[in-house]
Amino acid sequence: KNQVEQSPQSLIILEGKNCTLQCNYTVSPFSNLRWYKQDTGRGPVSLTIMTFSENTKSNGRYTATLDADTKQSSLHITASQLSDSASYICVVMPNAGGTSYGKLTFGQGTILTVHP
Amino acid sequence: DTGVSQDPRHKITKRGQNVTFRCDPISEHNRLYWYRQTLGQGPEFLTYFQNEAQLEKSRLLSDRFSAERPKGSFSTLEIQRTEQGDSAMYLCASSYEARTALSGNTIYFGEGSWLTVV
Repeated sequence: KNQVEQSPQSLIILEGKNCTLQCNYTVSPFSNLRWYKQDTGRGPVSLTIMTFSENTKSNGRYTATLDADTKQSSLHITASQLSDSASYICVVMPNAGGTSYGKLTFGQGTILTVHP
Repeated sequence: DTGVSQDPRHKITKRGQNVTFRCDPISEHNRLYWYRQTLGQGPEFLTYFQNEAQLEKSRLLSDRFSAERPKGSFSTLEIQRTEQGDSAMYLCASSYEARTALSGNTIYFGEGSWLTVV
């Protein structure tokens, strides 16, 4: 069974601080790994996309890393802002060939709260 | 706004009634996806289309669920004889992907359609 596990489940930090969110996956082989940000009651918004050959990808204050050997990814947020408060979801797209490209597997998300 | 559009945004229905959600993808996107999300959980795959062809359907979808994309543009998701367990947010997403290439393009999500079955 394909799984994506995220940690911690929730995290509280002060504005301006950095934080790192973790993602472990068992989807194999996989096509790419994505991080999404989801505000409460809204649809997910894409932050980064990494293929299995990429080790790191940045998008502003967001930096994602990928270790395909250990099947681990992380999302680092620098200089956090109040607007970063959201759920951050790790998503894996399998590479099972044929028609499976569309079947994304989502983690349960890490709820980040940034306090002033 | 040229993003993924979903309608209605909120729907309250009585158990046993049928409901239909509509999704308008980003123009020229050939892939369209449906996911379901309950509180505190990540989205779960339901089904997806490449143009008008439904390529995969989750085992989560019972016979009460049906999705269509008749002209390869907008899509509808119908739930017949709704049950309380169907209460969730139904997310639609779209992307442009070459059929045989490893998919690495951004998948854009709509704001979701909230369903409450009472």
